[in-house]
Amino acid sequence: SAVISQKPSRDICQRGTSLTIQCQVDSQVTMMFWYRQQPGQSLTLIATANQGSEATYESGFVIDKFPISRPNLTFSTLTVSNMSPEDSSIYLCSVGDKSTYNEQFFGPGTRLTVL
Amino acid sequence: GDSVTQMEGPVTLSEEAFLTINCTYTATGYPSLFWYVQYPGEGLQLLLKATKADDKGSNKGFEATYRKETTSFHLEKGSVQVSDSAVYFCALGGTGGFKTIFGAGTRLFVKA
Repeated sequence: SAVISQKPSRDICQRGTSLTIQCQVDSQVTMMFWYRQQPGQSLTLIATANQGSEATYESGFVIDKFPISRPNLTFSTLTVSNMSPEDSSIYLCSVGDKSTYNEQFFGPGTRLTVL
Repeated sequence: GDSVTQMEGPVTLSEEAFLTINCTYTATGYPSLFWYVQYPGEGLQLLLKATKADDKGSNKGFEATYRKETTSFHLEKGSVQVSDSAVYFCALGGTGGFKTIFGAGTRLFVKA
């Protein structure tokens, strides 16, 4: 199984600023995903991070608000831009491989509070 | 589209009680089914999985059987412990692309 780390683990930010979250995996993986988990809620997929091309965003999420980079097969970043209090959530990175039937491994999450 | 429905929580049990968390799904094709667990302050961990009908996934005393006829994947444990207190998510994947569909989550509290 993959080991995933995220930085920062938590942050408190001011309205209108941006935060970049890093996700590092200990092995090369095919698929990397970014999720948002609002307080007491389930996971909502933001986008699939594609290596060497633009991320694939889900309905309701746009690149200007959540730009994503994936420069190689072990690393990705998610930026939350022009933040508002509604962006306060846990942001989770996960990885998967089609050879394991869509099983996903999750990072510990980044807990973001926007004031 | 594909979806997962699981019982609402919170579920509160005494230690050593029997646990059932219901999960049903709607999917085209033949999905793989998963239970993930999220302990307080942590990310999700895969608890168990089943990839085809009648498979039983098991781990740490938890079990779930992939029932195609009832489109269900109920999570069970014979004797819960305080350390099992967490949020449990039922999920499906593999029906198209690499997306995983998560249920709403069920919070379990186990009292000593």
